[in-house]
Amino acid sequence: NAGVMQNPRHLVRRRGQEARLRCSPMKGHSHVYWYRQLPEEGLKFMVYLQKENIIDESGMPKERFSAEFPKEGPSILRIQQVVRGDSAAYFCASSPGTERGNEQFFGPGTRLTVL
Amino acid sequence: QKEVEQNSGPLSVPEGAIASLNCTYSDRVSQSFFWYRQYSGKSPELIMSIYSNGDKEDGRFTAQLNKASQYVSLLIRDSQPSDSATYLCAVNIRGSTLGRLYFGRGTQLTVWP
Repeated sequence: NAGVMQNPRHLVRRRGQEARLRCSPMKGHSHVYWYRQLPEEGLKFMVYLQKENIIDESGMPKERFSAEFPKEGPSILRIQQVVRGDSAAYFCASSPGTERGNEQFFGPGTRLTVL
Repeated sequence: QKEVEQNSGPLSVPEGAIASLNCTYSDRVSQSFFWYRQYSGKSPELIMSIYSNGDKEDGRFTAQLNKASQYVSLLIRDSQPSDSATYLCAVNIRGSTLGRLYFGRGTQLTVWP
C-alpha cells in the first residue's frame, strides 16, 4: 500500500488519558501535516513537519498537544490528558514538497472518542 | 484573517446534470487551489488542483480560477449518484509557511437518480 497510513483507525480514551496517533507518509514524501475535523466543521490545520523538524505548529493548541516526525519511524501526534472536546477525526496528509503546488494526500484518519 | 468560503448547500442535482460548486477566498496572495471530495465517514480525496487563471479539465471535472475575483469553482459534468459527497475547497497562501492549507467548510452535493 503506497498511500498514507494512519493507526489506529479508531481510538477510545477516557478523560485524562493520553492519545497517540501515528502517521506514515506516502513513499517518497517527506512532508507531513496534521489536520483535525470536528463534527459538522471543516478541516483545521494543526502542524506541519519534516523529518526531525517542526516547520509550523501555529494551529496546535498550546497545551497538551505535541507532534514529532523522527528520523526513523512514523510521525506521532500526542494528546495528553484528553478532554471530551478532543473528540474528533484527526487526519494526516503528506506531500513530496513544494513542487506541484504542494498537493497533499490524506490518510484514512483516526477517529478519537473521549469518554 | 485568511478565509475560504463555500456556498453552504446542500446542493441537489439530477443524474446527468452539471453540478457547480463555488469557493471564494480572502487572501490576495493565495497561490495554489485544490478541490477535495469527502464521502461521509471517509478522508478527503484530492480530485483537482489549479494554479493559474483559467480552466483546467480532468475527465468530468473542470476547475476554474479567477484570481482577480478571488474565486475558484468546480464543475462536475454528467453528474452521477456516486458523486454524492462533500466537496472541500482548499487554498495554499504564498508567504505563509508553504505547507498549510486553508479549507472551506464544504458543500454537500447530492445527485439523485
